[in-house]
Amino acid sequence: DVQLVESGGDLIQPGGSLRLSCTASGFTFSNYAMSWVRQAPGKGLDWVSTISKTADVTYYADSVQGRFTISRDNSKSSLFLQMHSLRVDDTAMYYCVPATGASWGQGTLVTVSS
Amino acid sequence: EIVLTQSPGTLSLSPGERATLSCRASQSISNIYLAWYQQRPGQSPRLLIYGASRRANGIPDRFSGSGSGTDFTLTISRLEPEDFAVYYCQQYGTPPFTFGPGTKVDIK
Repeated sequence: DVQLVESGGDLIQPGGSLRLSCTASGFTFSNYAMSWVRQAPGKGLDWVSTISKTADVTYYADSVQGRFTISRDNSKSSLFLQMHSLRVDDTAMYYCVPATGASWGQGTLVTVSS
Repeated sequence: EIVLTQSPGTLSLSPGERATLSCRASQSISNIYLAWYQQRPGQSPRLLIYGASRRANGIPDRFSGSGSGTDFTLTISRLEPEDFAVYYCQQYGTPPFTFGPGTKVDIK
């Protein structure tokens, strides 16, 4: 079975930094582009970033460009999101998703608040 | 950026009825890059349809997708109790890979 386990979410003050991780299993991680998608409490889905299979191409939403960095380690079937200069409106559940959208984990909650 | 608009915002129907959900794009999307997701309360999203009309693994055949260009439709032929949820469309052909705001299907 495909499993995606996100971790690293926390309560953090505005302006702070956080690194999210996602460990994948049950599929050949290196064969898939991967994305982060977030969902603020009570709101809709919000695409954040996508990284290609070999990490040579990355895309970001305008709202996080320059503050967030997506990366991956195919040898460990892991996806990362380094977040800097966090803002209150970054508060959300963050999901790690293959670019196909076929599998979703339970997400990790990031709360930005003073 | 491709903006996706979903209508209606809320659809109130009874079990057994047919649901028709619309997703309209601000510019043309290649068919192969339009997906539909279902999200039940308290759960993570689930992929229903990809490539505008292809059902994902394990998705019942009462769910169907259609459309092309800028206008896409998700149809649920006969609503089951577990289908009352929020539905999102997403385009994944042109970054940023935007989602629509969602349509909530609730029980009338």
